Amino acid sequence: EPEVTQTPSHQVTQMGQEVILRCVPISNHLYFYWYRQILGQKVEFLVSFYNNEISEKSEIFDDQFSVERPDGSNFTLKIRSTKLEDSAMYFCASSEMAVDVNYGYTFGSGTRLTVV
Amino acid sequence: KNQVEQSPQSLIILEGKNCTLQCNYTVSPFSNLRWYKQDTGRGPVSLTIMTFSENTKSNGRYTATLDADTKQSSLHITASQLSDSASYICVVSEGNSGNTPLVFGKGTRLSVIA
Repeated sequence: EPEVTQTPSHQVTQMGQEVILRCVPISNHLYFYWYRQILGQKVEFLVSFYNNEISEKSEIFDDQFSVERPDGSNFTLKIRSTKLEDSAMYFCASSEMAVDVNYGYTFGSGTRLTVV
Repeated sequence: KNQVEQSPQSLIILEGKNCTLQCNYTVSPFSNLRWYKQDTGRGPVSLTIMTFSENTKSNGRYTATLDADTKQSSLHITASQLSDSASYICVVSEGNSGNTPLVFGKGTRLSVIA
């Protein structure tokens, strides 16, 4: 079964450093997403991406965050200057465009980001 | 504010028993409602997706119901197995496009014991 692949599985970084989280969505999917889950809390939407541009973003997704699809397979989330409160599990997801509303959303296994 | 509330927060049941998890939502407009299973440290895995016109949908031992009038959903698990131990998350898609953000509940932590 097709999977969304995320790397690395765990990233430790110092406060103020830049990090790039990488994702390989399912090949025939057209919509890409980043969500995050702070330990013990619910999953929160960050951003959706379609046709090489951001479709929607939440208030969490401020100027410190950016997304990019540098080639035909990768989808990245960059945090420019990490803060302690950025520590969370970051999930990438992708979905295919469909006529009806049974959109298949496939999540990756996540990258656990720890900012120290 | 669009919200998804789940109950109970946690549940412990004996292997082989059935259980029902509840979800109430205030998301509007409503597109579809999903139930996900999330193992610790893993990404959510979809169990069911229902539109507002569907009342029930099954996936093996999982049966989800939806009452779009009262904005309530339930997930019933029959003949529970140890591997069912996980968080079960109710997720609602707001808006009329299938690609709008998902609104997650906090989940119900289910523990199945022998």
